Amino acid sequence: DAKTTQPPSMDCAEGRAANLPCNHSTISGNEYVYWYRQIHSQGPQYIIHGLKNNETNEMASLIITEDRKSSTLILPHATLRDTAVYYCIGQTGANNLFFGTGTRLTVIP
Amino acid sequence: SQTIHQWPATLVQPVGSPLSLECTVEGTSNPNLYWYRQAAGRGLQLLFYSVGIGQISSEVPQNLSASRPQDRQFILSSKKLLLSDSGFYLCAWAVSGANVLTFGAGSRLTVL
Repeated sequence: DAKTTQPPSMDCAEGRAANLPCNHSTISGNEYVYWYRQIHSQGPQYIIHGLKNNETNEMASLIITEDRKSSTLILPHATLRDTAVYYCIGQTGANNLFFGTGTRLTVIP
Repeated sequence: SQTIHQWPATLVQPVGSPLSLECTVEGTSNPNLYWYRQAAGRGLQLLFYSVGIGQISSEVPQNLSASRPQDRQFILSSKKLLLSDSGFYLCAWAVSGANVLTFGAGSRLTVL
């Protein structure tokens, strides 16, 4: 079962790219990596997920290393509303996404 | 479009009292339903999930129980609350067979 490791906190200047790293060295070949974020006192919000290839959507880009042991979530132009806790999640079984403690991203004006 | 409703939003209960949190999903059929708990400053812990009416899987043995009386209704209950039951409870749903979760707004429970 894939467990993930993230830095507890990061700062990013408004308008700059926010690069949030995640280690998932125990991930197996068929496990996806998911990213969610949680703005204070709200439910988590899905951002993006991927298996092997890099992915991009309207919210973010996900870069997965070739060995799949780590990934980076990129918010290309961070805004103050992107301040949140970001969770990198490994899938543990068909019905369990393991949420760790995430990275608290603070976007600074 | 699909929506998820969760209530009550906040709840203050004395130790030993019962609990009922309700979650309903609209705009979809046969969703997978989940209850998570988040203690202060902690990550999310999966409590229960259900893949169909009357089917409940428990991830962590505890003082809580869950029921799914209807396809799109998921209820979290307790007969006697403990102080350690305080936390932020989140209901979520996903398309059956998928892992992209949509969360409700959460219910903040304080047990005194």
